[in-house]
Amino acid sequence: DVKVTQSSRYLVKRTGEKVFLECVQDMDHENMFWYRQDPGLGLRLIYFSYDVKMKEKGDIPEGYSVSREKKERFSLILESASTNQTSMYLCASSSPGGLDTIYFGEGSWLTVV
Amino acid sequence: DAKTTQPPSMDCAEGRAANLPCNHSTISGNEYVYWYRQIHSQGPQYIIHGLKNNETNEMASLIITEDRKSSTLILPHATLRDTAVYYCIVRADAGNMLTFGGGTRLMVKP
Repeated sequence: DVKVTQSSRYLVKRTGEKVFLECVQDMDHENMFWYRQDPGLGLRLIYFSYDVKMKEKGDIPEGYSVSREKKERFSLILESASTNQTSMYLCASSSPGGLDTIYFGEGSWLTVV
Repeated sequence: DAKTTQPPSMDCAEGRAANLPCNHSTISGNEYVYWYRQIHSQGPQYIIHGLKNNETNEMASLIITEDRKSSTLILPHATLRDTAVYYCIVRADAGNMLTFGGGTRLMVKP
């Protein structure tokens, strides 16, 4: 079974804290993605990566950074968490090109207080 | 990628077929139709995809009209566990992004 694993299911952080959300996939996929999902706004792409050490901005990269040091791991970093970053964060992965299916993790619920 | 239109919500009786429609009238020749679903508080789950032929797998069937402007996802025997938001997405073969619209909230009732 394909597997995209997000390290934390629920987190509560304080405003200004640095937050790391980790994602690991076991399918040897080149592409990895970070989305956030908010009520009424659907899924919005934050960053994606198509290779180790490569990254591209998505639709809403402000306030976020990412790290891809190994093929299987893609980290989302909130340098200084703010309350408007309270959301559900979804990691996904796929193979490059073609129509390979995109697989999602279970999601990480982040609350910034 | 082309835009899709889905009804915001539908009900279905347990054990009956659930037919979820999707309109994608601006779909272009290289765009596939994908269906995902999202059960509350979980990540989206892939269901099925197709180009122009009807497709079937262990989860569902996908019927695409001949002009490809609309499609229907069929869950042949809906169960309570099929209660979820179902997303219809069109996606070009050259791209890897997925753009999720509002989806259809399917409620399966006993």
